[in-house]
Amino acid sequence: QKEVEQNSGPLSVPEGAIASLNCTYSDRGSQSFFWYRQYSGKSPELIMFIYSNGDKEDGRFTAQLNKASQYVSLLIRDSQPSDSATYLCAVGWAGGTSYGKLTFGQGTILTVHP
Amino acid sequence: KAGVTQTPRYLIKTRGQQVTLSCSPISGHRSVSWYQQTPGQGLQFLFEYFSETQRNKGNFPGRFSGRQFSNSRSEMNVSTLELGDSALYLCASSARGGNEQFFGPGTRLTVL
Repeated sequence: QKEVEQNSGPLSVPEGAIASLNCTYSDRGSQSFFWYRQYSGKSPELIMFIYSNGDKEDGRFTAQLNKASQYVSLLIRDSQPSDSATYLCAVGWAGGTSYGKLTFGQGTILTVHP
Repeated sequence: KAGVTQTPRYLIKTRGQQVTLSCSPISGHRSVSWYQQTPGQGLQFLFEYFSETQRNKGNFPGRFSGRQFSNSRSEMNVSTLELGDSALYLCASSARGGNEQFFGPGTRLTVL
């Protein structure tokens, strides 16, 4: 069983639409949740993180966390062609033997077409 | 603030050789994590160092090793290279480890 699963994609949305990216995780002890954006040939870039249940907004990005359902999502409002990239969901823990380890999903490829 | 830097950016080696990759974290960050990224397996955690101590290790063979220096710079070494070691090797730094990690540009290793 994969520890972190993302909607398989690829996801294609028109410019100006809302893109919705989803992620589920298997370990209920997970404490921190991250979204990274990775352009082709580049390294992952941290765009959002969330630790508590609910919504967290930053500009056009909203991260949503539901620990009871073990679900985290990323909404991108007013999608732009420059948002076209692979989005990686990552899950972390704190302390013990889990220091410094993020577990990543396989990523969802998002294409925003004009 | 300068970001995470990694050297070299590209490397070509042959099977059986060894390789050393270097990572300099963001100033003030004491935790460095290393990851391997391949098309088939995605991003996989190798190990993490904090204050010169390895605190966590992923499920990789002993050919993969690392260390951290007193200035928080880190190196990883892969001995007896195999074709399957061809990958993008990424390091990420964070202030405390586990929380917000910022990636360097990566080292693209090709094993022939």
